[in-house]
Amino acid sequence: QQQVKQSPQSLIVQKGGISIINCAYENTAFDYFPWYQQFPGKGPALLIAIRPDVSEKKEGRFTISFNKSAKQFSLHIMDSQPGDSATYFCAASKGNTGKLIFGQGTTLQVKP
Amino acid sequence: DAGVTQSPTHLIKTRGQQVTLRCSPKSGHDTVSWYQQALGQGPQFIFQYYEEEERQRGNFPDRFSGHQFPNYSSELNVNALLLGDSALYLCASSQIDEQFFGPGTRLTVL
Repeated sequence: QQQVKQSPQSLIVQKGGISIINCAYENTAFDYFPWYQQFPGKGPALLIAIRPDVSEKKEGRFTISFNKSAKQFSLHIMDSQPGDSATYFCAASKGNTGKLIFGQGTTLQVKP
Repeated sequence: DAGVTQSPTHLIKTRGQQVTLRCSPKSGHDTVSWYQQALGQGPQFIFQYYEEEERQRGNFPDRFSGHQFPNYSSELNVNALLLGDSALYLCASSQIDEQFFGPGTRLTVL
């Protein structure tokens, strides 16, 4: 019940395309859902986060869509760029400073 | 603002040894969490410190222990190292907002 399942494991997108990564959770007590971007040899960097009282949040080219009834949320990267090539992790927690449960990660490659 | 800093960057130890990793939180942050990230995996929560007390703990053995100092900096100690402890150890700090991660310490156990 503590798991967060993420898909796909890897993704290849052409420059300018849309990258979509999906996550599903079981624990209905989770109330904070962040997405992190990680480059090789670096720590995860917070991209965008959402709470279950909204269905969508947009920041620049990054959008989170949230479906509370299905217990799913997704990250959309619009106009994907080669600099977006990285590993992306979804996560969930109860409270925004609590224990983060991470998905398994998605390696994104954006081809020029 | 320096953000979250961790030391050392890399560390090589042998089985059975003990290791101490250090973390300085982002300015203004009073809560520190530690995570273990194995190669190709998502980070796994080890424990969280607030007001110098362990507030939450993940599913890690007692070989993993920690400490938080009055200036909010923190240490992670691992005793009796196993080959499986080889990983990137991440520190994250927060106050009332989101968790910010440091660059991590890469631990290799031979």
